[in-house]
Amino acid sequence: DQQVKQNSPSLSVQEGRISILNCDYTNSMFDYFLWYKKYPAEGPTFLISISSIKDKNEDGRFTVFLNKSAKHLSLHIVPSQPGDSAVYFCAVYTSGTYKYIFGTGTRLKVLA
Amino acid sequence: DAGVIQSPRHEVTEMGQEVTLRCKPISGHDYLFWYRQTMMRGLELLIYFNNNVPIDDSGMPEDRFSAKMPNASFSTLKIQPSEPRDSAVYFCASRPSGNTIYFGEGSWLTVV
Repeated sequence: DQQVKQNSPSLSVQEGRISILNCDYTNSMFDYFLWYKKYPAEGPTFLISISSIKDKNEDGRFTVFLNKSAKHLSLHIVPSQPGDSAVYFCAVYTSGTYKYIFGTGTRLKVLA
Repeated sequence: DAGVIQSPRHEVTEMGQEVTLRCKPISGHDYLFWYRQTMMRGLELLIYFNNNVPIDDSGMPEDRFSAKMPNASFSTLKIQPSEPRDSAVYFCASRPSGNTIYFGEGSWLTVV
C-alpha cells in the first residue's frame, strides 16, 4: 500500500510557463518533506525540502507548498526551462526514524 | 569530495545466479539506505542502516534478498537466487547529520 503517491506519471509544459508537480501522503506523522530530481542514468539529487512547521519554502525558481490538512505537497517551477526535464520524486519521513519513503515519480518534459 | 560509490554499474546475470551489489557511502555519513527503482513502484526502500546496524528491513521483498554493513565504509545487497522480476535499478544512499540523503549512480541489474 503506497504511503506516498504521485498520481501524474508524466507532465508536459511549455518553456517559460509554470510546472506544478503534486504529491499526496497518507500518514499525518510524516513531518519532513523533500523533492528530488533524477536525470536518466544518474542517481536522484536533492532539490528542495520543507518541514511540517512551514507551509511554503522557496529556492530560486523552485517553491514547495505543504498543505498538512489535505496531506498534500506540491512543487512549483517558475519559469520552467528545458533543463528541468527529468523525473521528480517526492519523499517524506518522520523525525527520529529517518525512514525516507519516496513516491512513484512524475516525468516532467519542458518543451522549447 | 567523492559521492556514494556503487558497483557494478551494470550487471546481466542468468536466473538462479547469485548477485552482489556493493556500496561505499560518503565518509562520515552514519545512515545508509538501499532502494530499488521500478516503473510500477518508483523508489522503493528495501533496508536502511544506522551506524552499521540494520534499523528497518521491512521493504526487503523476500528471503532471497539480504544486506550487510560490516563497517562504516561498505555495504552489500545480495540476491540469491536471482529471478527475472528482480531486474531493476538498485540505488544506495547515505545521510549525514542533516535532512538530505545522497544517492549513488545506481546499479542496473538485468536477470535473464
